[in-house]
Amino acid sequence: GDSVTQMEGPVTLSEEAFLTINCTYTATGYPSLFWYVQYPGEGLQLLLKATKADDKGSNKGFEATYRKETTSFHLEKGSVQVSDSAVYFCALSDRGGGFKTIFGAGTRLFVKA
Amino acid sequence: SAVISQKPSRDICQRGTSLTIQCQVDSQVTMMFWYRQQPGQSLTLIATANQGSEATYESGFVIDKFPISRPNLTFSTLTVSNMSPEDSSIYLCSVLGEGGGQETQYFGPGTRLLVL
Repeated sequence: GDSVTQMEGPVTLSEEAFLTINCTYTATGYPSLFWYVQYPGEGLQLLLKATKADDKGSNKGFEATYRKETTSFHLEKGSVQVSDSAVYFCALSDRGGGFKTIFGAGTRLFVKA
Repeated sequence: SAVISQKPSRDICQRGTSLTIQCQVDSQVTMMFWYRQQPGQSLTLIATANQGSEATYESGFVIDKFPISRPNLTFSTLTVSNMSPEDSSIYLCSVLGEGGGQETQYFGPGTRLLVL
């Protein structure tokens, strides 16, 4: 079945450092790909998404490009802030799979001042 | 967009009891889902709530333990039956709605359940 694998955390960075969180997927169809963020004590929020190959999703300085050839959707940010400390989930949703969203294990990010 | 509310927002329950969680959406939606997020874990889909028919459960989840109702296109309930401490989780309602001209999945704020 469909699955999502993302790099294990926690990831600890200093403020203004470059962030990459790796995410790869397996899917039988042509899924949409997502990054969700969960700030401490809060609910899940959609950060960005891409619905087809070579699409780039972006929001709040974060970017991710849908790479079909490498089945990847890595999350990047050029300069992280303390306020970016959260858990980040990579996910996919496949129309052929009944629109169910499959989540990765999550990667916790700590940003130090 | 779709705005989702859940009740209760949190609860502490005794083992062996049951809790019903309500999910209300501010617009009619075709697809509603229930997820569980155990402490420090990712989200796992419990079931798809089908309007007017029995829910579709994922592997590892059964109707006797997690009965679901969906009487209309804006409301659903999830019951956690005969609870044990292992059921302590955040339970999230999710819907598929229209956002920016595309189908978008929205999540409710979650219900934090602690079973003693």
